[in-house]
Amino acid sequence: NAGVTQTPKFQVLKTGQSMTLQCAQDMNHNSMYWYRQDPGMGLRLIYYSASEGTTDKGEVPNGYNVSRLNKREFSLRLESAAPSQTSVYFCASRIHSNQPQHFGDGTRLSIL
Amino acid sequence: GIQVEQSPPDLILQEGANSTLRCNFSDSVNNLQWFHQNPWGQLINLFYIPSRTKQNGRLSATTVATERYSLLYISSSQTTDSGVYFCAVDRGSNYQLIWGAGTKLIIKP
Repeated sequence: NAGVTQTPKFQVLKTGQSMTLQCAQDMNHNSMYWYRQDPGMGLRLIYYSASEGTTDKGEVPNGYNVSRLNKREFSLRLESAAPSQTSVYFCASRIHSNQPQHFGDGTRLSIL
Repeated sequence: GIQVEQSPPDLILQEGANSTLRCNFSDSVNNLQWFHQNPWGQLINLFYIPSRTKQNGRLSATTVATERYSLLYISSSQTTDSGVYFCAVDRGSNYQLIWGAGTKLIIKP
């Protein structure tokens, strides 16, 4: 039982490059989330998808786009990477709003 | 928006000691979760505890929703308990978790 799987685990980009972070869950969860974690801080929500076919902005959406490809997959795209987007990115999912969120292992992204 | 404050920010203990971590939140919440972020950066679900008390081995948690706080207890600490402990809350309406800044726990052998 894999839970929430994120790829890649590590990535280094140059400023201006684009990249898509992938997330897949095998728990038949309805809601999926993308967070970023900066050093010494808690997580901040970038975008979420409450159910298949819907996406909404979170606290820090600027510079990102998302796609809920199907119920299992939720991708995060950086169209033109900036050094301020250097962070650890976490994907999460849950079955509905009264259940806990489950997290992937994170993607460590450095932008030079 | 809702504010989440955790205390203490840092805690250094000897192996075998007990500890209490606190999470205060500024408004009513539907959900509260405690997480352990290990030194490798993985987030591990500890408790989903919007109210009352739960126990899992050496760890237990209590949430008093009416007074807007939650406590995480760790007994007989082990070096593997080291890491950062986060609490996160949501109000259910927009599905997102609001996170505290964490308590960094170091257990010395």
